[in-house]
Amino acid sequence: SQTIHQWPATLVQPVGSPLSLECTVEGTSNPNLYWYRQAAGRGLQLLFYSVGIGQISSEVPQNLSASRPQDRQFILSSKKLLLSDSGFYLCAWENRERNGYTFGSGTRLTVV
Amino acid sequence: GENVEQHPSTLSVQEGDSAVIKCTYSDSASNYFPWYKQELGKRPQLIIDIRSNVGEKKDQRIAVTLNKTAKHFSLHITETQPEDSAVYFCAASQETGANNLFFGTGTRLTVIP
Repeated sequence: SQTIHQWPATLVQPVGSPLSLECTVEGTSNPNLYWYRQAAGRGLQLLFYSVGIGQISSEVPQNLSASRPQDRQFILSSKKLLLSDSGFYLCAWENRERNGYTFGSGTRLTVV
Repeated sequence: GENVEQHPSTLSVQEGDSAVIKCTYSDSASNYFPWYKQELGKRPQLIIDIRSNVGEKKDQRIAVTLNKTAKHFSLHITETQPEDSAVYFCAASQETGANNLFFGTGTRLTVIP
């Protein structure tokens, strides 16, 4: 069966520290992968998407970056976190049969 | 790019009543419209979707309607139950290439027992 794993579940980081969030998908190949951010009380903002290994597109300018080193691995990173980076980060995948997105369980990031 | 607007932001209904959430979109090329339900602290989950070749789709107590001319679509929940309480998000995409979903800002639905 197809599953998506995202970790860590919660993270508290000081301003200026680096960030690495990881997302992996099992049971599928060549998925479209996405990173979304959900700020408190707000909607889901698309940050990055990837249609294949090494292919990353950014929807909004920011101090975050993403990488896809393997077909089923998607990483969200930052060299120096800002207070405004706090939020709920969700990874999602979409299979080629277009059955909608499946979201990971999310990472609640608090930058202090 | 696509811009999705969603109303209302909060909605309270009595158990057993119906709830309607409405969304509009800006890009006439969008042709896929899913709805997600997010319970407190959990991930969003797809509950129903509609593609532009149909005007209405129903799944038990949930239905979605689409008006491509007016560029709006709606979620209808009938016979609401307390477990329907959650935040609901609409979204739109062109379902080509990367199929990026653009989400509305969400509606917090509270079903009062």
